[in-house]
Amino acid sequence: GQQLNQSPQSMFIQEGEDVSMNCTSSSIFNTWLWYKQDPGEGPVLLIALYKAGELTSNGRLTAQFGITRKDSFLNISASIPSDVGIYFCAGRRDNNNDMRFGAGTRLTVKP
Amino acid sequence: DAGVIQSPRHEVTEMGQEVTLRCKPISGHDYLFWYRQTMMRGLELLIYFNNNVPIDDSGMPEDRFSAKMPNASFSTLKIQPSEPRDSAVYFCASRESGNEQFFGPGTRLTVL
Repeated sequence: GQQLNQSPQSMFIQEGEDVSMNCTSSSIFNTWLWYKQDPGEGPVLLIALYKAGELTSNGRLTAQFGITRKDSFLNISASIPSDVGIYFCAGRRDNNNDMRFGAGTRLTVKP
Repeated sequence: DAGVIQSPRHEVTEMGQEVTLRCKPISGHDYLFWYRQTMMRGLELLIYFNNNVPIDDSGMPEDRFSAKMPNASFSTLKIQPSEPRDSAVYFCASRESGNEQFFGPGTRLTVL
């Protein structure tokens, strides 16, 4: 099947530091998405990428769609305590409804 | 605006009992999805509907699982009989054609 490898599994950082996480796949995806999940809640969409090479920002978040279509990364600049949570990448191929999710990156931010 | 609504938020039941999870999608959304989240397998798509019709149920684990969408504003996921390995968080999501999915808050199911 289409496996998404997300790394790192977890990160412990100091408030103010920058964060970087990525997702790779053996298969090509036409869409890459990044979600954040807070405890006891569902995933919330942060950034969607639709074009190879695309670089998109949402506030302190920046994500890129890899040129090979097999990877994506998410950067968070100047982290704050409310950035704590689990970040998931998701990839989608031609079928607009079959998304595959990475295993998640658990982020802890120390004040 | 109300997002995707799921009930109950928590369910504890005993093995062998029937469990019914409920979802109300965002008004106007024509796609509805059911996912399961576990530590071991992460987020998995179980089934999705388009205009109340099941389109792909290949992710449904086995015959004990069934899902229905009797109208545009309501869907159920039923497990009968439930087993301890069904313990997980079940998410419902909905979307409008051309847009991305919005997830509900989930139902945490524990089967003893």
